Amino acid sequence: EAGVAQSPRYKIIEKRQSVAFWCNPISGHATLYWYQQILGQGPKLLIQFQNNGVVDDSQLPKDRFSAERLKGVDSTLKIQPAKLEDSAVYLCASSLGGGNEQFFGPGTRLTVL
Amino acid sequence: AQRVTQPEKLLSVFKGAPVELKCNYSYSGSPELFWYVQYSRQRLQLLLRHISRESIKGFTADLNKGETSFHLKKPFAQEEDSAMYYCALSLLNTNAGKSTFGDGTTLTVKP
Repeated sequence: EAGVAQSPRYKIIEKRQSVAFWCNPISGHATLYWYQQILGQGPKLLIQFQNNGVVDDSQLPKDRFSAERLKGVDSTLKIQPAKLEDSAVYLCASSLGGGNEQFFGPGTRLTVL
Repeated sequence: AQRVTQPEKLLSVFKGAPVELKCNYSYSGSPELFWYVQYSRQRLQLLLRHISRESIKGFTADLNKGETSFHLKKPFAQEEDSAMYYCALSLLNTNAGKSTFGDGTTLTVKP
């Protein structure tokens, strides 16, 4: 089966610019996760969707980050405006349900200059 | 709030030696514990989960609720085990199944 797809793989922007990331989960997976992984740290959950509803976004900086999952399939994560500290790898993962094995995408490496 | 701690950032052993990667968690409910691994230039992937009680690639992990630990062990390390290992916790008593990852341990197995 096809894995989790993410694009772009790399993105370089200047601070205060906007950026968007896209994720296509494994077909049939109800749960979709966005993580931020700063160098030297583990993945930090930003937002978790169950189908097209948000079940946890407690660590999402809502003043600048937003995410949506249209029709319960693909998802986009947006940062507007970006700050230097947003430089990180953004990982998307999906699973059959919350608490199940997560399948990860390749990640998007964001550099904010 | 739940927390996962991996006290060792780096761990280096010789091929054939036993290896133990430590993981401690803090959560008072019923967690589901996982070990994920990331080999060089590959995606993060599941190594094992405590509920399945399987041994994957020679690795085992036992959940110790008294010590709130889920250490990963292998009796004889191989060079191909060199990778980044993350311990993760998911909550079972909520619909969310919210997951928390540790900061990882880089394992190097020397020849």
